Amino acid sequence: DGGITQSPKYLFRKEGQNVTLSCEQNLNHDAMYWYRQDPGQGLRLIYYSQIVNDFQKGDIAEGYSVSREKKESFPLTVTSAQKNPTAFYLCASKQGSSPLHFGNGTRLTVT
Amino acid sequence: KQEVTQIPAALSVPEGENLVLNCSFTDSAIYNLQWFRQDPGKGLTSLLLIQSSQREQTSGRLNASLDKSSGRSTLYIAASQPGDSATYLCAVRMNRDDKIIFGKGTRLHILP
Repeated sequence: DGGITQSPKYLFRKEGQNVTLSCEQNLNHDAMYWYRQDPGQGLRLIYYSQIVNDFQKGDIAEGYSVSREKKESFPLTVTSAQKNPTAFYLCASKQGSSPLHFGNGTRLTVT
Repeated sequence: KQEVTQIPAALSVPEGENLVLNCSFTDSAIYNLQWFRQDPGKGLTSLLLIQSSQREQTSGRLNASLDKSSGRSTLYIAASQPGDSATYLCAVRMNRDDKIIFGKGTRLHILP
């Protein structure tokens, strides 16, 4: 089955450490997106990539970094510069004008 | 900057009723609009996608409409069931930069 895999489902880190969230898709989609969701809030766009080796900042990119070296992979690094990193992180992908597909998310807790 | 608003934030209705969820956006230069469902602690499931040239889309008991010029979309759910209980989110894809911007969602509870 084609889909988007986010791992791990739960992630715990100490404050001051960088952490990388994985997102892999086998849908052969060109575009990939990272969103953050806080309790009772909608999704806020962190970074997105329309094609391999290219990506753009979303509305809340500060404290995050991404890479897009392969079409199927779009990892997100949460750096120590991100002031409130505890959140639910969602990865998505799409091809052209087709619907956006989501993974099941990674819940990051930083203490 | 595009802003997407969903009203109401929460809604409880008895089983069997028809209901309407609202989504509004400030910038009409959109490529398409998509409605999603999210169950607690899960990712989002796509329900309906309306291209900017379309007025509505239907899937089963769901019907979504789009009025791009007035910056509005509605999601109509017919004959609601307890299994429809979830958070419903709308999202717009922008023409100019391919950003996809979400509203905060409407939390729907269908009472058995």
